Amino acid sequence: KAGVTQTPRYLIKTRGQQVTLSCSPISGHRSVSWYQQTPGQGLQFLFEYFSETQRNKGNFPGRFSGRQFSNSRSEMNVSTLELGDSALYLCASSFQAGDGYTFGSGTRLTVV
Amino acid sequence: AQSVTQLDSQVPVFEEAPVELRCNYSSSVSVYLFWYVQYPNQGLQLLLKYLSGSTLVKGINGFEAEFNKSQTSFHLRKPSVHISDTAEYFCAVTRRSGGSNYKLTFGKGTLLTVNP
Repeated sequence: KAGVTQTPRYLIKTRGQQVTLSCSPISGHRSVSWYQQTPGQGLQFLFEYFSETQRNKGNFPGRFSGRQFSNSRSEMNVSTLELGDSALYLCASSFQAGDGYTFGSGTRLTVV
Repeated sequence: AQSVTQLDSQVPVFEEAPVELRCNYSSSVSVYLFWYVQYPNQGLQLLLKYLSGSTLVKGINGFEAEFNKSQTSFHLRKPSVHISDTAEYFCAVTRRSGGSNYKLTFGKGTLLTVNP
């Protein structure tokens, strides 16, 4: 079956702009999570959605937001981009917590 | 809250040698434990997981891990590594139930480098 699909793979944005990243989970998975990966901070949890509801949120400023659609696809948005937002953004989906999460290949965001 | 400590940031080994990547966790509640591998420019791939039952868990690519509740450890092992095992390895934890079981808490990662 198809894995987790993230688009786009690479993105270059200018400071102050906003960006939207997309994630399509594995069919049947209703939980979608987002993580930010940087060399300095490692893997940090952004938020998790289940059936269009945000169930958990990490310690990120309000510039980071997300949503989930009725088909479980998810988007995350970052407004007013800062240089420090440059990172690999990973999306993961799961059927239930004990399954572990299946990750996409990520979106590499570079803010210049 | 949960936390994960990966004791070695880098582990260099020679091909066909055994390897152990160490992971300790902290949690006041019962947890599920995972090991993930990340190859360059890719996402994370699940190697294995501990949910309950036998403390020795076998995963893909010949890896195994042992859960030790008293030492709150979940070390990853492979008896003989290959060049292709060169990657970064992440230990992760999530609580079994309740509000924050919908996220993984990761360690900082261990870069395994297998030399010929």
